[in-house]
Amino acid sequence: ELKVEQNPLFLSMQEGKNYTIYCNYSTTSDRLYWYRQDPGKSLESLFVLLSNGAVKQEGRLMASLDTKARLSTLHITAAVHDLSATYFCAVVFKMTDKLIFGTGTRLQVFP
Amino acid sequence: DVKVTQSSRYLVKRTGEKVFLECVQDMDHENMFWYRQDPGLGLRLIYFSYDVKMKEKGDIPEGYSVSREKKERFSLILESASTNQTSMYLCASSSPRQPQHFGDGTRLSIL
Repeated sequence: ELKVEQNPLFLSMQEGKNYTIYCNYSTTSDRLYWYRQDPGKSLESLFVLLSNGAVKQEGRLMASLDTKARLSTLHITAAVHDLSATYFCAVVFKMTDKLIFGTGTRLQVFP
Repeated sequence: DVKVTQSSRYLVKRTGEKVFLECVQDMDHENMFWYRQDPGLGLRLIYFSYDVKMKEKGDIPEGYSVSREKKERFSLILESASTNQTSMYLCASSSPRQPQHFGDGTRLSIL
Protein backbone atom coordinates (compact mmCIF):
# COMPACT_ATOMS: atom_id res chain seq x y z
CA GLU A 1 0.00 0.00 0.00
CA LEU A 2 1.33 3.40 -0.96
CA LYS A 3 1.39 5.91 1.87
CA VAL A 4 2.45 9.53 1.63
CA GLU A 5 3.54 11.46 4.69
CA GLN A 6 4.00 15.18 4.62
CA ASN A 7 5.42 17.42 7.32
CA PRO A 8 5.02 19.75 8.92
CA LEU A 9 1.24 19.97 8.87
CA PHE A 10 1.33 23.62 9.74
CA LEU A 11 4.07 26.15 9.20
CA SER A 12 4.05 29.72 10.37
CA MET A 13 7.02 31.69 9.12
CA GLN A 14 8.22 35.22 8.95
CA GLU A 15 8.67 37.02 5.66
CA GLY A 16 12.19 36.75 4.35
CA LYS A 17 12.92 33.39 6.01
CA ASN A 18 13.67 30.06 4.35
CA TYR A 19 12.02 26.75 5.10
CA THR A 20 11.49 23.26 3.70
CA ILE A 21 8.43 21.05 3.47
CA TYR A 22 9.07 17.30 3.37
CA CYS A 23 7.19 14.56 1.56
CA ASN A 24 7.99 10.88 2.21
CA TYR A 25 6.36 8.00 0.37
CA SER A 26 6.43 4.30 1.08
CA THR A 27 6.86 2.52 -2.28
CA THR A 28 8.48 3.26 -5.60
CA SER A 29 6.76 5.64 -7.95
CA ASP A 30 7.66 7.25 -11.27
CA ARG A 31 6.01 10.63 -10.73
CA LEU A 32 5.51 13.08 -7.89
CA TYR A 33 3.48 16.28 -8.00
CA TRP A 34 3.31 19.39 -5.85
CA TYR A 35 0.05 21.32 -5.72
CA ARG A 36 -0.96 24.59 -4.11
CA GLN A 37 -4.41 25.38 -2.70
CA ASP A 38 -5.48 28.86 -1.66
CA PRO A 39 -8.29 29.14 0.91
CA GLY A 40 -11.64 28.42 -0.71
CA LYS A 41 -10.01 27.72 -4.04
CA SER A 42 -9.12 24.70 -6.10
CA LEU A 43 -5.76 22.94 -6.37
CA GLU A 44 -3.18 24.31 -8.78
CA SER A 45 -0.37 22.18 -10.14
CA LEU A 46 3.07 23.58 -9.28
CA PHE A 47 5.63 20.94 -10.22
CA VAL A 48 5.94 17.44 -11.58
CA LEU A 49 9.10 15.51 -10.74
CA LEU A 50 9.92 12.47 -12.84
CA SER A 51 13.35 11.14 -12.01
CA ASN A 52 15.91 10.81 -9.28
CA GLY A 53 17.70 14.10 -8.68
CA ALA A 54 15.06 16.11 -10.52
CA VAL A 55 14.88 19.74 -9.46
CA LYS A 56 12.28 22.27 -10.53
CA GLN A 57 12.15 25.95 -9.58
CA GLU A 58 9.50 28.60 -9.94
CA GLY A 59 10.11 31.94 -8.26
CA ARG A 60 10.76 31.38 -4.54
CA LEU A 61 9.77 27.71 -4.64
CA MET A 62 12.12 24.86 -5.49
CA ALA A 63 11.13 21.20 -5.52
CA SER A 64 13.47 18.22 -5.60
CA LEU A 65 13.15 14.46 -5.70
CA ASP A 66 15.29 11.66 -4.26
CA THR A 67 13.74 8.41 -5.43
CA LYS A 68 16.19 6.24 -3.51
CA ALA A 69 15.19 7.88 -0.23
CA ARG A 70 11.57 8.18 -1.43
CA LEU A 71 11.68 11.81 -0.42
CA SER A 72 10.70 15.06 -2.06
CA THR A 73 11.27 18.51 -0.64
CA LEU A 74 9.65 21.86 -1.37
CA HIS A 75 12.03 24.63 -0.39
CA ILE A 76 10.80 28.15 0.19
CA THR A 77 13.33 30.94 -0.20
CA ALA A 78 12.80 34.38 1.35
CA ALA A 79 9.11 33.82 1.99
CA VAL A 80 6.54 36.48 1.10
CA HIS A 81 2.92 36.77 2.18
CA ASP A 82 1.65 35.71 -1.25
CA LEU A 83 3.03 32.23 -0.63
CA SER A 84 0.52 31.67 2.18
CA ALA A 85 -1.50 28.61 1.09
CA THR A 86 -1.76 24.88 1.65
CA TYR A 87 0.76 22.78 -0.25
CA PHE A 88 0.19 19.13 -1.13
CA CYS A 89 2.50 16.52 -2.51
CA ALA A 90 0.95 13.65 -4.45
CA VAL A 91 2.56 10.44 -5.64
CA VAL A 92 1.46 8.31 -8.57
CA PHE A 93 0.34 4.81 -7.61
CA LYS A 94 2.34 2.16 -9.51
CA MET A 95 2.12 2.85 -13.26
CA THR A 96 -1.37 4.35 -13.17
CA ASP A 97 -2.73 7.89 -13.08
CA LYS A 98 -4.09 7.39 -9.59
CA LEU A 99 -2.64 9.91 -7.12
CA ILE A 100 -2.09 9.40 -3.41
CA PHE A 101 -2.00 12.74 -1.62
CA GLY A 102 -0.15 13.81 1.48
CA THR A 103 -2.10 15.48 4.26
CA GLY A 104 -0.99 18.95 3.15
CA THR A 105 1.10 21.67 4.78
CA ARG A 106 -0.67 24.86 5.65
CA LEU A 107 1.83 27.68 5.24
CA GLN A 108 1.23 31.05 6.81
CA VAL A 109 3.71 33.86 6.14
CA PHE A 110 3.53 36.89 8.39
CA PRO A 111 5.36 40.25 8.24
CA ASP B 1 -7.03 26.84 -20.18
CA VAL B 2 -8.49 23.63 -18.87
CA LYS B 3 -11.87 24.13 -17.29
CA VAL B 4 -13.30 21.66 -14.80
CA THR B 5 -16.75 22.77 -13.70
CA GLN B 6 -18.60 21.41 -10.70
CA SER B 7 -22.31 22.07 -10.69
CA SER B 8 -22.61 23.52 -7.18
CA ARG B 9 -20.24 25.31 -4.83
CA TYR B 10 -22.42 24.69 -1.79
CA LEU B 11 -25.08 22.05 -1.23
CA VAL B 12 -27.20 21.16 1.77
CA LYS B 13 -29.07 17.87 1.85
CA ARG B 14 -30.84 15.70 4.41
CA THR B 15 -29.88 12.30 5.74
CA GLY B 16 -31.16 9.52 3.52
CA GLU B 17 -31.48 11.63 0.38
CA LYS B 18 -29.93 10.54 -2.90
CA VAL B 19 -27.42 13.22 -3.88
CA PHE B 20 -25.90 13.89 -7.29
CA LEU B 21 -22.70 15.87 -7.78
CA GLU B 22 -21.89 16.74 -11.37
CA CYS B 23 -18.55 17.49 -13.00
CA VAL B 24 -17.84 18.58 -16.57
CA GLN B 25 -14.47 19.12 -18.25
CA ASP B 26 -13.86 20.82 -21.57
CA MET B 27 -10.44 19.44 -22.59
CA ASP B 28 -11.36 16.00 -23.88
CA HIS B 29 -9.46 14.35 -21.03
CA GLU B 30 -9.64 10.59 -20.77
CA ASN B 31 -9.27 10.49 -16.98
CA MET B 32 -11.69 11.86 -14.43
CA PHE B 33 -11.56 11.62 -10.64
CA TRP B 34 -13.64 12.30 -7.56
CA TYR B 35 -11.99 13.12 -4.23
CA ARG B 36 -13.16 14.21 -0.84
CA GLN B 37 -11.09 16.62 1.20
CA ASP B 38 -11.24 16.66 4.98
CA PRO B 39 -9.06 18.65 7.42
CA GLY B 40 -5.97 16.72 8.45
CA LEU B 41 -6.65 13.92 5.96
CA GLY B 42 -5.70 15.56 2.68
CA LEU B 43 -7.48 14.39 -0.46
CA ARG B 44 -8.78 10.86 -0.63
CA LEU B 45 -9.82 9.23 -3.90
CA ILE B 46 -13.39 7.98 -4.07
CA TYR B 47 -13.68 6.78 -7.68
CA PHE B 48 -11.96 7.36 -10.97
CA SER B 49 -12.60 6.67 -14.62
CA TYR B 50 -10.21 6.11 -17.52
CA ASP B 51 -12.86 6.06 -20.21
CA VAL B 52 -16.55 6.37 -20.92
CA LYS B 53 -18.63 3.84 -19.01
CA MET B 54 -15.51 2.68 -17.20
CA LYS B 55 -14.98 3.18 -13.46
CA GLU B 56 -12.66 1.97 -10.76
CA LYS B 57 -12.89 2.20 -7.01
CA GLY B 58 -10.53 4.46 -5.18
CA ASP B 59 -9.58 4.29 -1.54
CA ILE B 60 -12.96 5.19 0.02
CA PRO B 61 -15.78 4.09 -2.35
CA GLU B 62 -18.23 2.91 0.32
CA GLY B 63 -21.52 4.78 0.17
CA TYR B 64 -20.77 6.27 -3.25
CA SER B 65 -21.27 5.36 -6.88
CA VAL B 66 -20.36 7.08 -10.13
CA SER B 67 -21.54 7.41 -13.69
CA ARG B 68 -19.69 8.35 -16.84
CA GLU B 69 -21.99 8.17 -19.85
CA LYS B 70 -20.14 10.86 -21.82
CA LYS B 71 -16.45 11.61 -21.94
CA GLU B 72 -16.79 15.13 -20.58
CA ARG B 73 -19.09 14.36 -17.65
CA PHE B 74 -18.45 12.40 -14.46
CA SER B 75 -21.14 12.20 -11.79
CA LEU B 76 -20.76 11.23 -8.15
CA ILE B 77 -23.80 9.75 -6.46
CA LEU B 78 -24.42 9.41 -2.74
CA GLU B 79 -26.98 6.63 -2.66
CA SER B 80 -28.33 7.45 0.80
CA ALA B 81 -26.59 10.46 2.28
CA SER B 82 -25.27 10.26 5.82
CA THR B 83 -23.82 12.91 8.10
CA ASN B 84 -20.32 11.43 7.82
CA GLN B 85 -20.40 12.32 4.13
CA THR B 86 -20.37 16.02 4.97
CA SER B 87 -17.19 17.19 3.26
CA MET B 88 -15.59 19.11 0.41
CA TYR B 89 -15.79 17.16 -2.85
CA LEU B 90 -13.31 17.82 -5.62
CA CYS B 91 -13.47 16.66 -9.21
CA ALA B 92 -10.38 16.45 -11.43
CA SER B 93 -9.51 15.47 -14.98
CA SER B 94 -6.32 14.69 -16.85
CA SER B 95 -4.78 13.17 -19.91
CA PRO B 96 -2.75 10.00 -19.28
CA ARG B 97 0.44 10.70 -17.32
CA GLN B 98 -0.31 14.43 -17.12
CA PRO B 99 -1.11 16.63 -14.10
CA GLN B 100 -4.67 16.54 -12.87
CA HIS B 101 -6.75 19.71 -13.19
CA PHE B 102 -9.21 20.37 -10.41
CA GLY B 103 -12.61 22.00 -10.18
CA ASP B 104 -13.47 24.56 -7.50
CA GLY B 105 -15.09 21.98 -5.26
CA THR B 106 -18.53 21.40 -3.79
CA ARG B 107 -18.96 21.89 -0.08
CA LEU B 108 -21.65 19.37 0.86
CA SER B 109 -23.45 19.44 4.19
CA ILE B 110 -25.69 16.55 5.22
CA LEU B 111 -28.11 17.43 7.99
